[in-house]
Order: sequence, then C-alpha cells, then structure tokens
Amino acid sequence: EAGVAQSPRYKIIEKRQSVAFWCNPISGHATLYWYQQILGQGPKLLIQFQNNGVVDDSQLPKDRFSAERLKGVDSTLKIQPAKLEDSAVYLCASSLDHGTEETQYFGPGTRLLVL
Amino acid sequence: LAKTTQPISMDSYEGQEVNITCSHNNIATNDYITWYQQFPSQGPRFIIQGYKTKVTNEVASLFIPADRKSSTLSLPRVSLSDTAVYYCLVGENQLIWGAGTKLIIKP
Repeated sequence: EAGVAQSPRYKIIEKRQSVAFWCNPISGHATLYWYQQILGQGPKLLIQFQNNGVVDDSQLPKDRFSAERLKGVDSTLKIQPAKLEDSAVYLCASSLDHGTEETQYFGPGTRLLVL
Repeated sequence: LAKTTQPISMDSYEGQEVNITCSHNNIATNDYITWYQQFPSQGPRFIIQGYKTKVTNEVASLFIPADRKSSTLSLPRVSLSDTAVYYCLVGENQLIWGAGTKLIIKP
C-alpha cells in the first residue's frame, strides 16, 4: 500500500515570496491533515479536511495561509507571502475517518526555509 | 482540550526495557491514549493506542491505570534504532501534540 506522498521535499524561498506544497493521501482515506512542525517542537495542526470539507482550521493563519482539497483526494497548502517564522517542516497526514482514535499516517514532510 | 505532560528527554542502553510515563489528568471519558514515534527527518509513526488496562503489540506495551490519568509506554529490549521522539496524545475532538520525549539509546 502506497503511503502519503508529499512534494517538494525541500524548498528555499525569500521572505514575501509565495510557496505551495502538495499532498496525496493514502487511497480511500477521507480525512487529511496539514501540520506545521518547527524544529524542536511537536506538530501543530493547521487544517483538517473531511473529504473536501474543512473540519478544523482554527490554527491556520488565514491572512497568509490557504489550503484546498477540491476533489476530496489530494490537497495543496499555500503560503503567500512567506515570513521568516514560517521556516518549518510541513507535514501531511491522512486517516480513514475523522476522530482522535483514528490512526494518522504521515508523509515525509516538506522542509521550508524562508530567507 | 486535554493536555499531556511527559519527560523532555530520557537516556537508556541497548537491551534495556524503557518506560516512558505520560500524565493526562484532564482526560475525558471518551478519549483514547495514543503514542507516536518520530525519527529525524521523518513524519511521526503510530506505535500503539489504548483506552484502559494494558495493550500490547509487536512493538510496545501500553499500561493504563484504572483512573486513566496517566499511561506508560514500555519498549522492551531497546536498540540504537529506537532513538527517536515519542509523543503521547489524548483528545476528544483534536489531538494536541506536545514536544514529546526525546529518547536516546546508547550502546
């Protein structure tokens, strides 16, 4: 079974530029998560989708971050414009269904460096 | 939202049993307790999950006392490859990820 795919693996941009990350979840998984993980910290949930609807985006900085999952399968996360403090690893995860008892399967992450 | 408290770091040696305890005093009735493992430059990986008493799988055991206010992840006979960050998670609507426990296994 293929895992969660993410691209790119690494990205370096200058502040005020825009960047987009792509995620393809495990086939059949209805729930998709985007996390931000700053070095030395645990993952922080940015947004959670159930199929193509948003379940939770309370911690998404909506002035600069946006995400979509138009067909309920793959998803993109965009930052525009980027700030220095956005330097982090962006993790995508998926699970069969929503619910905190569901196992989340994580992709390898995209490491973003903002200069 | 239930929060967890776990040691920032732990050291042990190859072949030893390692126990990592997590405190979750405000756990809700319906909350499960879930542990994830994260290696450097990788996403977290599910280890084990339980609701009460003891759960065991091929990787670890999870001990949960009757009051469920804490839990202990037990890793039997650790090896160098078990060096990782271990996260304890509880939550009814959303899982809150703390900084985890950085476990270092020495030869």
